Amino acid sequence: AQKVTQAQTEISVVEKEDVTLDCVYETRDTTYYLFWYKQPPSGELVFLIRRNSFDEQNEISGRYSWNFQKSTSSFNFTITASQVVDSAVYFCALSGEAAGNKLTFGGGTRVLVKP
Amino acid sequence: DSGVTQTPKHLITATGQRVTLRCSPRSGDLSVYWYQQSLDQGLQFLIQYYNGEERAKGNILERFSAQQFPDLHSELNLSSLELGDSALYFCASSPGLAPSGANVLTFGAGSRLTVL
Repeated sequence: AQKVTQAQTEISVVEKEDVTLDCVYETRDTTYYLFWYKQPPSGELVFLIRRNSFDEQNEISGRYSWNFQKSTSSFNFTITASQVVDSAVYFCALSGEAAGNKLTFGGGTRVLVKP
Repeated sequence: DSGVTQTPKHLITATGQRVTLRCSPRSGDLSVYWYQQSLDQGLQFLIQYYNGEERAKGNILERFSAQQFPDLHSELNLSSLELGDSALYFCASSPGLAPSGANVLTFGAGSRLTVL
């Protein structure tokens, strides 16, 4: 079975602060894929990033960065210099053959950025 | 606009009733997935179709059924509705069979179902 844990249910920051969202996963697969999705207040799910298990390079996209560490089964997400528009629920997700290639989501972390 | 179209956006109905949710995938995508998002269960995978055939099943109740038509749109049928079925139902689509680096799921805006 595979599992994704996002221990932080809600994080509140003031604009321009950095915020890091934790994601820990469990899987028996050696080949698997990790994703982050954003769900703004309007409700839709927006894809942010994908990562496969063989690529441990960290990635930066604008104010967003991701830290993938296989040794600790973690795929953490950092928003630098947060803005009010970053207020949303962020989901980490995992797919792999062990779970029939279904996309399994974590419980989500609600980020509230105050002006 | 993600390219995945879901209708209706909102639906209010009574217990015991039946509803149909519709999804049109992104152009070129062959896979359609249905997810349920509720406050207590989070985002739960329900079912996946690929090019008209059921390919994976998750925590889908027997009262729920789905199908994918030859034009690749999909419908999720929910019957004998209960209060606990109130949730946001998402459809997602992808080009290929399994979620991967090359096969990312694109989600629609969701259909919010309220059962009274």
